[in-house]
Amino acid sequence: QVQLVQSGPEVKKPGSSVKVSCKVSGGTSSSYAISWVRKAPGQGLEWMGVIIPKLGITNYAQNFQGRVTITMDEDTNTAYMDLSSLKSEDTAAYFCANGGAYWAYWGQGTLVTVSS
Amino acid sequence: DIVLTQTPLSLSVTPGQPASISCKSSQSLLHSDGKTYLYWYLQKTGQSPQLLIHEVSNRFSGVPDRFSGSGSGTDFTLKISRVEAEDVGVYYCMQSIQLRYSFGQGTKLEIK
Repeated sequence: QVQLVQSGPEVKKPGSSVKVSCKVSGGTSSSYAISWVRKAPGQGLEWMGVIIPKLGITNYAQNFQGRVTITMDEDTNTAYMDLSSLKSEDTAAYFCANGGAYWAYWGQGTLVTVSS
Repeated sequence: DIVLTQTPLSLSVTPGQPASISCKSSQSLLHSDGKTYLYWYLQKTGQSPQLLIHEVSNRFSGVPDRFSGSGSGTDFTLKISRVEAEDVGVYYCMQSIQLRYSFGQGTKLEIK
């Protein structure tokens, strides 16, 4: 069974960047497709982007184009989500999830708070 | 981008009674490979989302059979035959026919 373990909570200033990690274990690395989804207070789930290393594909949601970068360290099976130019509206729980068409396995979530 | 519209946005249901959530897509979710890329998730308070239904009507492992999904093309429905207290949370439909995924707004289910 695939397990995803994310890094701990972060507090950031507006205008700064945050990098959240997601270590993947179980399954085979060649099957890893990792998406990032966030849940802001009072809002619904929002897909941010996906990386499929074996296909060399990275794709981002229009709302985050230019601000988000998703990478994968295949040596350590760790995915990263880097979000720049943070605003207070980026305060949210950020989740990684494993799968292509759908996500059966999720990380525990990382709370990112953006506050001056 | 594909827009998913859920109705209702909130539900208050007596335990043992049925519940139904609609999800309408701005484009057909039927792919040329024959699959329909529509999924249902439940997010309980303080938890990660959990997969309930994949490809319209297939219950994920461990999901109780009181949950069922149906629909085709652009119109889909999630039904709970007899709501239980543990079903409280926010239900989302999601599409992945393109490599730009999207969610519905979410439907909050509470118990009367």
